[in-house]
Amino acid sequence: GNSVTQMEGPVTLSEEAFLTINCTYTATGYPSLFWYVQYPGEGLQLLLKATKADDKGSNKGFEATYRKETTSFHLEKGSVQVSDSAVYFCALSWTGNQFYFGTGTSLTVIP
Amino acid sequence: DVKVTQSSRYLVKRTGEKVFLECVQDMDHENMFWYRQDPGLGLRLIYFSYDVKMKEKGDIPEGYSVSREKKERFSLILESASTNQTSMYLCASRPLRTSYEQYFGPGTRLTVT
Repeated sequence: GNSVTQMEGPVTLSEEAFLTINCTYTATGYPSLFWYVQYPGEGLQLLLKATKADDKGSNKGFEATYRKETTSFHLEKGSVQVSDSAVYFCALSWTGNQFYFGTGTSLTVIP
Repeated sequence: DVKVTQSSRYLVKRTGEKVFLECVQDMDHENMFWYRQDPGLGLRLIYFSYDVKMKEKGDIPEGYSVSREKKERFSLILESASTNQTSMYLCASRPLRTSYEQYFGPGTRLTVT
Protein backbone atom coordinates (compact mmCIF):
# COMPACT_ATOMS: atom_id res chain seq x y z
CA GLY A 1 0.00 0.00 0.00
CA ASN A 2 0.88 3.66 0.05
CA SER A 3 2.34 5.21 3.15
CA VAL A 4 4.64 7.90 4.46
CA THR A 5 6.94 7.44 7.42
CA GLN A 6 8.61 10.38 9.06
CA MET A 7 10.86 10.62 12.05
CA GLU A 8 9.17 10.86 15.37
CA GLY A 9 9.44 13.97 17.40
CA PRO A 10 9.43 16.11 19.21
CA VAL A 11 12.61 17.71 17.98
CA THR A 12 14.17 20.52 19.99
CA LEU A 13 16.98 22.61 18.51
CA SER A 14 18.83 25.75 19.41
CA GLU A 15 18.53 28.73 17.10
CA GLU A 16 20.89 28.55 14.09
CA ALA A 17 21.24 24.77 14.37
CA PHE A 18 20.98 22.50 11.33
CA LEU A 19 17.67 20.71 10.85
CA THR A 20 16.93 17.39 9.21
CA ILE A 21 13.55 15.70 9.36
CA ASN A 22 13.58 12.31 7.69
CA CYS A 23 10.77 11.15 5.45
CA THR A 24 10.50 7.91 3.49
CA TYR A 25 7.60 6.65 1.46
CA THR A 26 6.11 3.45 0.09
CA ALA A 27 4.25 3.73 -3.19
CA THR A 28 3.91 2.23 -6.61
CA GLY A 29 5.22 4.48 -9.32
CA TYR A 30 6.41 8.01 -8.74
CA PRO A 31 4.02 10.23 -6.87
CA SER A 32 4.51 13.90 -6.13
CA LEU A 33 6.00 14.61 -2.71
CA PHE A 34 5.24 17.45 -0.34
CA TRP A 35 6.17 19.04 2.92
CA TYR A 36 3.42 20.90 4.74
CA VAL A 37 3.90 23.01 7.87
CA GLN A 38 1.38 23.72 10.61
CA TYR A 39 2.11 26.70 12.86
CA PRO A 40 0.45 26.80 16.28
CA GLY A 41 -3.26 27.44 16.02
CA GLU A 42 -3.32 27.36 12.22
CA GLY A 43 -4.13 24.99 9.39
CA LEU A 44 -1.53 23.34 7.20
CA GLN A 45 0.38 25.33 4.61
CA LEU A 46 2.36 23.96 1.70
CA LEU A 47 6.05 24.48 2.41
CA LEU A 48 7.58 22.86 -0.67
CA LYS A 49 7.00 20.13 -3.21
CA ALA A 50 8.73 17.99 -5.84
CA THR A 51 6.91 16.31 -8.69
CA LYS A 52 9.55 14.00 -10.12
CA ALA A 53 12.71 12.15 -9.21
CA ASP A 54 15.79 14.29 -8.46
CA ASP A 55 13.69 17.46 -8.21
CA LYS A 56 14.60 19.73 -5.33
CA GLY A 57 11.84 21.70 -3.65
CA SER A 58 12.83 24.79 -1.70
CA ASN A 59 11.14 27.60 0.20
CA LYS A 60 12.01 29.89 3.15
CA GLY A 61 15.45 28.29 3.47
CA PHE A 62 14.03 24.75 3.62
CA GLU A 63 14.99 22.16 1.01
CA ALA A 64 14.08 18.59 0.16
CA THR A 65 15.21 16.39 -2.73
CA TYR A 66 13.10 13.63 -4.28
CA ARG A 67 15.29 10.51 -4.10
CA LYS A 68 13.68 7.57 -5.85
CA GLU A 69 16.61 5.24 -5.11
CA THR A 70 16.06 5.58 -1.39
CA THR A 71 12.34 6.51 -1.62
CA SER A 72 13.06 9.51 0.55
CA PHE A 73 12.26 13.21 0.77
CA HIS A 74 14.15 14.52 3.78
CA LEU A 75 13.57 18.10 4.88
CA GLU A 76 16.61 20.23 5.69
CA LYS A 77 17.39 23.75 6.79
CA GLY A 78 20.83 25.10 7.45
CA SER A 79 19.99 27.52 10.26
CA VAL A 80 16.67 27.32 12.06
CA GLN A 81 14.93 30.25 13.72
CA VAL A 82 12.50 30.44 16.60
CA SER A 83 9.79 31.26 14.07
CA ASP A 84 10.30 27.81 12.46
CA SER A 85 8.73 26.15 15.50
CA ALA A 86 5.82 24.17 14.08
CA VAL A 87 4.66 20.69 13.12
CA TYR A 88 5.97 19.41 9.78
CA PHE A 89 4.13 16.85 7.67
CA CYS A 90 5.51 14.87 4.78
CA ALA A 91 2.96 13.72 2.21
CA LEU A 92 2.56 12.09 -1.18
CA SER A 93 -0.12 12.27 -3.84
CA TRP A 94 -0.72 11.31 -7.45
CA THR A 95 -3.86 13.23 -8.23
CA GLY A 96 -4.05 16.00 -5.67
CA ASN A 97 -7.20 14.52 -4.21
CA GLN A 98 -5.92 11.56 -2.26
CA PHE A 99 -3.00 12.59 -0.05
CA TYR A 100 -1.11 10.26 2.24
CA PHE A 101 0.30 12.18 5.18
CA GLY A 102 2.94 11.18 7.68
CA THR A 103 2.20 11.49 11.37
CA GLY A 104 3.92 14.86 11.71
CA THR A 105 7.11 15.96 13.44
CA SER A 106 6.96 18.69 16.04
CA LEU A 107 9.89 21.12 16.00
CA THR A 108 10.68 23.55 18.79
CA VAL A 109 13.50 26.04 18.33
CA ILE A 110 14.82 27.67 21.46
CA PRO A 111 16.71 30.99 21.50
CA ASP B 1 -4.92 35.18 -1.14
CA VAL B 2 -6.90 32.00 -0.92
CA LYS B 3 -9.04 31.87 2.15
CA VAL B 4 -10.61 28.80 3.68
CA THR B 5 -12.69 29.51 6.75
CA GLN B 6 -14.29 27.14 9.23
CA SER B 7 -17.31 28.09 11.27
CA SER B 8 -15.83 27.44 14.71
CA ARG B 9 -12.35 27.12 16.18
CA TYR B 10 -13.57 25.22 19.24
CA LEU B 11 -16.74 23.24 19.74
CA VAL B 12 -18.01 21.17 22.65
CA LYS B 13 -20.93 18.80 22.09
CA ARG B 14 -22.59 16.01 24.00
CA THR B 15 -22.74 12.38 22.98
CA GLY B 16 -25.64 11.74 20.65
CA GLU B 17 -25.95 15.32 19.39
CA LYS B 18 -26.06 16.10 15.69
CA VAL B 19 -23.06 18.26 14.82
CA PHE B 20 -22.48 20.45 11.77
CA LEU B 21 -19.03 21.68 10.81
CA GLU B 22 -19.04 24.29 8.09
CA CYS B 23 -16.30 25.21 5.66
CA VAL B 24 -16.28 28.03 3.13
CA GLN B 25 -13.69 28.89 0.49
CA ASP B 26 -13.62 32.10 -1.50
CA MET B 27 -11.57 31.10 -4.55
CA ASP B 28 -14.04 29.15 -6.65
CA HIS B 29 -12.17 25.89 -6.07
CA GLU B 30 -13.78 22.77 -7.47
CA ASN B 31 -12.50 20.26 -4.92
CA MET B 32 -13.04 20.37 -1.18
CA PHE B 33 -11.94 17.98 1.57
CA TRP B 34 -12.55 17.09 5.19
CA TYR B 35 -9.79 15.56 7.31
CA ARG B 36 -9.43 14.69 10.94
CA GLN B 37 -6.10 15.12 12.67
CA ASP B 38 -5.14 13.01 15.65
CA PRO B 39 -1.82 12.77 17.51
CA GLY B 40 0.34 9.96 16.17
CA LEU B 41 -2.00 9.36 13.22
CA GLY B 42 -1.45 12.46 11.13
CA LEU B 43 -4.25 13.55 8.82
CA ARG B 44 -6.85 11.11 7.59
CA LEU B 45 -9.29 11.88 4.80
CA ILE B 46 -12.97 11.59 5.74
CA TYR B 47 -14.70 12.75 2.56
CA PHE B 48 -14.01 14.88 -0.44
CA SER B 49 -16.15 16.58 -3.04
CA TYR B 50 -15.19 17.34 -6.63
CA ASP B 51 -18.33 19.25 -7.55
CA VAL B 52 -21.61 20.51 -6.17
CA LYS B 53 -23.67 17.61 -4.85
CA MET B 54 -20.82 15.18 -5.63
CA LYS B 55 -18.89 13.38 -2.92
CA GLU B 56 -16.45 10.54 -2.47
CA LYS B 57 -15.60 8.59 0.65
CA GLY B 58 -12.13 8.90 2.01
CA ASP B 59 -10.33 6.54 4.33
CA ILE B 60 -12.54 6.94 7.42
CA PRO B 61 -16.11 7.92 6.41
CA GLU B 62 -17.90 5.86 9.07
CA GLY B 63 -19.99 8.01 11.39
CA TYR B 64 -19.83 11.04 9.09
CA SER B 65 -21.75 12.48 6.18
CA VAL B 66 -21.21 15.56 4.04
CA SER B 67 -23.19 18.09 2.10
CA ARG B 68 -22.19 20.35 -0.76
CA GLU B 69 -25.12 22.38 -2.02
CA LYS B 70 -23.03 25.33 -3.19
CA LYS B 71 -19.57 25.35 -4.71
CA GLU B 72 -18.02 27.45 -1.94
CA ARG B 73 -19.42 25.53 1.02
CA PHE B 74 -18.73 22.01 2.24
CA SER B 75 -20.32 20.75 5.43
CA LEU B 76 -19.33 17.81 7.60
CA ILE B 77 -22.12 16.23 9.62
CA LEU B 78 -21.84 13.96 12.62
CA GLU B 79 -25.29 12.41 12.80
CA SER B 80 -24.87 11.22 16.40
CA ALA B 81 -21.63 12.40 17.94
CA SER B 82 -19.56 9.96 19.94
CA THR B 83 -16.57 10.46 22.20
CA ASN B 84 -14.24 8.80 19.69
CA GLN B 85 -15.01 11.64 17.29
CA THR B 86 -13.25 14.09 19.57
CA SER B 87 -10.56 15.45 17.26
CA MET B 88 -9.25 18.34 15.22
CA TYR B 89 -11.15 18.67 11.93
CA LEU B 90 -9.48 20.34 8.97
CA CYS B 91 -11.14 21.50 5.79
CA ALA B 92 -9.19 22.05 2.57
CA SER B 93 -9.88 23.10 -1.00
CA ARG B 94 -8.08 22.76 -4.30
CA PRO B 95 -8.56 24.12 -7.78
CA LEU B 96 -8.44 21.53 -10.55
CA ARG B 97 -5.96 23.44 -12.62
CA THR B 98 -2.99 23.54 -10.25
CA SER B 99 -0.40 20.94 -9.41
CA TYR B 100 -1.96 19.36 -6.37
CA GLU B 101 -1.65 21.99 -3.65
CA GLN B 102 -4.46 21.93 -1.11
CA TYR B 103 -5.34 25.05 0.90
CA PHE B 104 -6.31 24.41 4.50
CA GLY B 105 -8.57 26.16 6.94
CA PRO B 106 -7.48 26.79 10.56
CA GLY B 107 -9.30 23.77 11.91
CA THR B 108 -12.12 23.09 14.37
CA ARG B 109 -11.24 21.36 17.62
CA LEU B 110 -14.29 19.30 18.52
CA THR B 111 -14.73 17.78 21.96
CA VAL B 112 -17.54 15.30 22.50
CA THR B 113 -18.38 14.67 26.15
